[in-house]
Amino acid sequence: AQKVTQAQTEISVVEKEDVTLDCVYETRDTTYYLFWYKQPPSGELVFLIRRNSFDEQNEISGRYSWNFQKSTSSFNFTITASQVVDSAVYFCALSEATDSWGKLQFGAGTQVVVTP
Amino acid sequence: NAGVTQTPKFRILKIGQSMTLQCTQDMNHNYMYWYRQDPGMGLKLIYYSVGAGITDKGEVPNGYNVSRSTTEDFPLRLELAAPSQTSVYFCASSYFVTDTQYFGPGTRLTVL
Repeated sequence: AQKVTQAQTEISVVEKEDVTLDCVYETRDTTYYLFWYKQPPSGELVFLIRRNSFDEQNEISGRYSWNFQKSTSSFNFTITASQVVDSAVYFCALSEATDSWGKLQFGAGTQVVVTP
Repeated sequence: NAGVTQTPKFRILKIGQSMTLQCTQDMNHNYMYWYRQDPGMGLKLIYYSVGAGITDKGEVPNGYNVSRSTTEDFPLRLELAAPSQTSVYFCASSYFVTDTQYFGPGTRLTVL
């Protein structure tokens, strides 16, 4: 069963608009880890943020912010005042503590297109 | 500190050929992983390793083999390539099982 769902396939915005990417996860573990990765057109995977299940403090880092809500099993990501360089595919991923090998389970990704 | 490196960056294989995708990390990480990414999809785990001499299968191991003789290297072997193996292959590593995984640049493989 899909454990990480990114319902938005593609989001298109004009530069300076805000973009919020949704991520819903499913796990029975009480300890787990959530990640966001960015994949620009060049193809590499860039780590953005990691959250532990016991740390629900939301964070802002520059133009990026994250909203982690255990009650709704969501880990949403917002880009404020988007720029063309933000155009990429963004992946949400889950790692469960009961998985002794720490494998990441990825969502299908959300394509963000920012036009000037 | 180069992080995770992968070679080659691109490769075209004919059906039935074999090849090895190389992955090296210089961060002294214990855990290493191979994922594949099919067009428009997230990544799926092929194989993983917790240290030299220890490997295990992931979600999609059929048609692949791995070995881990050193901490730094984790090559992925494709035997008898098939069109279904056309994909982008990513290698990743982390120091501990719950740590962040850092990815290499990927290898784009086409099997014709």
